[in-house]
Amino acid sequence: GAVVSQHPSRVICKSGTSVKIECRSLDFQATTMFWYRQFPKQSLMLMATSNEGSKATYEQGVEKDKFLINHASLTLSTLTVTSAHPEDSSFYICSAAYGLAKNIQYFGAGTRLSVL
Amino acid sequence: AQSVTQLDSHVSVSEGTPVLLRCNYSSSYSPSLFWYVQHPNKGLQLLLKYTSAATLVKGINGFEAEFKKSETSFHLTKPSAHMSDAAEYFCVVTEGQGGKLIFGQGTELSVKP
Repeated sequence: GAVVSQHPSRVICKSGTSVKIECRSLDFQATTMFWYRQFPKQSLMLMATSNEGSKATYEQGVEKDKFLINHASLTLSTLTVTSAHPEDSSFYICSAAYGLAKNIQYFGAGTRLSVL
Repeated sequence: AQSVTQLDSHVSVSEGTPVLLRCNYSSSYSPSLFWYVQHPNKGLQLLLKYTSAATLVKGINGFEAEFKKSETSFHLTKPSAHMSDAAEYFCVVTEGQGGKLIFGQGTELSVKP
């Protein structure tokens, strides 16, 4: 149980285009979803936390207008990287939690974004 | 403020020998501690977690970790390494159920045949 699906697994796009990444909880209702960014050989950095039906809470230094997060249902959250540039190339990972125990998170397999 | 330090960026062991991945944490309150494993280009899989119950925690795939408050450590061990254990391992600390996950820098485990 507690499976999180992330799509696509890899995306290559041209500079200036927008990319949408989906995160779905397949067998549970995710009251909270999280988006992380991971640079090569580095740790995960939390970008934002989203609760179903409300605006996402962004971490300091993360541009909310560049990284649009939507959590429209209890099983789906999306991250849209708008006007992507090469410096946005990274590994993006989502996770989901349910109930009050937000520290118990189930992770997607990640999305490798390459911006040319 | 919470923080976590993984003392080794890379550990190399031979297959069949013990594994020790070291983690120290800093937390103002009673922490919850986790170890996650990440295989190349994959998401994170929870190995084990400590949430104020037994200090010796057993996880999946033969891994275990011991919470030592006096040493502020939560080292990950396995008696005998397997080739499939080669991966990146992250130690994570959080405070309470609603706290953010704070990740260590990761330790890359290599297993030689």
